[in-house]
Amino acid sequence: KAGVTQTPRYLIKTRGQQVTLSCSPISGHRSVSWYQQTPGQGLQFLFEYFSETQRNKGNFPGRFSGRQFSNSRSEMNVSTLELGDSALYLCASANLDRSHEQYFGPGTRLTVT
Amino acid sequence: GENVEQHPSTLSVQEGDSAVIKCTYSDSASNYFPWYKQELGKGPQLIIDIRSNVGEKKDQRIAVTLNKTAKHFSLHITETQPEDSAVYFCAATLMDSSYKLIFGSGTRLLVRP
Repeated sequence: KAGVTQTPRYLIKTRGQQVTLSCSPISGHRSVSWYQQTPGQGLQFLFEYFSETQRNKGNFPGRFSGRQFSNSRSEMNVSTLELGDSALYLCASANLDRSHEQYFGPGTRLTVT
Repeated sequence: GENVEQHPSTLSVQEGDSAVIKCTYSDSASNYFPWYKQELGKGPQLIIDIRSNVGEKKDQRIAVTLNKTAKHFSLHITETQPEDSAVYFCAATLMDSSYKLIFGSGTRLLVRP
């Protein structure tokens, strides 16, 4: 079974631009969560989607948004990029009907210059 | 708010020795505690998890213990091998209709050959 895939793997953007990251969950997983990982703040929860609905949101500004499609694929968007948005963005999926095991993708490394 | 503290931040052991990583969580409602291993350039990999109705769980060389009263849980790795070298994260969450992992700050484990 294929794992969680994220595209692109690396991205360089300029301050003020916006970016969209994509995540394809494991087949059959309907829950998709996003996390931001930085050396200073560690792993922080951004939001979780299930059946196209955002069920939970972390403590991030409104510049961070996401959505989930009917095939469970998810995208997250960051508008008006700031230098501090440079991070590894991780997507994770889970089949909550079976367990709470959450599986992570390799992440997208975003660098804002 | 919810918080997970993890110690130590770095741990160096000789190959064959045991390693123990400890976490403390603040939200007494938390009932699911996974552990992740993250290697350089990869996303976190789930290695073991425990639910609050269980005190201990083992999987070959890895074990996790949970003390609900003290709100402590620990990861034990026996007979460490160089390939165990990585960053380990503990996490806690409440298994309800949503899914939000609160992560510890990570432990960098180095196993010296």
